[in-house]
Amino acid sequence: QSVLTQPPSVSGAPGQRVTISCTGSSSNFGAGYDAHWYQQLPGTAPKLLIYGNRNRPSGVPDRFSGSKSGTSASLAITGLQAEDEADYYCHAYDNSLSGFVFGSGTKVTVL
Amino acid sequence: EVHLVESGGGLVKPGGSLRLSCAASGFSFSYAWMSWVRQAPGKGLEWVGRIKSKTNGGTADYATPLKGRFTISRDDSKNTVYLQMNSLKTEDTAVYYCTTDNYFGSGKGFDSWGQGTLVTVSS
Repeated sequence: QSVLTQPPSVSGAPGQRVTISCTGSSSNFGAGYDAHWYQQLPGTAPKLLIYGNRNRPSGVPDRFSGSKSGTSASLAITGLQAEDEADYYCHAYDNSLSGFVFGSGTKVTVL
Repeated sequence: EVHLVESGGGLVKPGGSLRLSCAASGFSFSYAWMSWVRQAPGKGLEWVGRIKSKTNGGTADYATPLKGRFTISRDDSKNTVYLQMNSLKTEDTAVYYCTTDNYFGSGKGFDSWGQGTLVTVSS
């Protein structure tokens, strides 16, 4: 049971918008710790996608956006493309565990 | 460009030990905090632990379930971070990634990852 809860899967047609939720608690997001998001394409290492709740590293398309409110964070992908098929993970520090936690992961499927 | 290369993975029997290495280049390693993250086959990401820079004390923190069995160390003269794993169990089978840990530094999370090294614990 992950400390950060994500839906196992989301899907959408090319061009559509999908969102992935990441539900935490008062010991991580609710305590003010930032949310980060990672994209893991099949057979590859994870890659930082969003940092500091809503910032994109250089090279990440602006189709990807993040937000955080209270004890939850979310990732949105607009204009979904076939190359976006991947697993996505949220990430935060948790002060009750005195360590980092990852979400359970969400598989995005492009129909 | 940041480059992280893990090595040392392989097949080990339950109860055995293994030391993983992560060679870093392209950034000021001695000032970097580094984390290890693992991923069991078909499963999600799990934080293993991290080591701070020596200027921040050089101490290591671990995921609670792994304390006492895993030890992270660093050799700044070799730009390398290590993960010593003892008393290995079958459930430690995973790909182990090293990452730059800028969660509390620049606020950029785990911004660079190695390609990973596979550890298989089996009799």
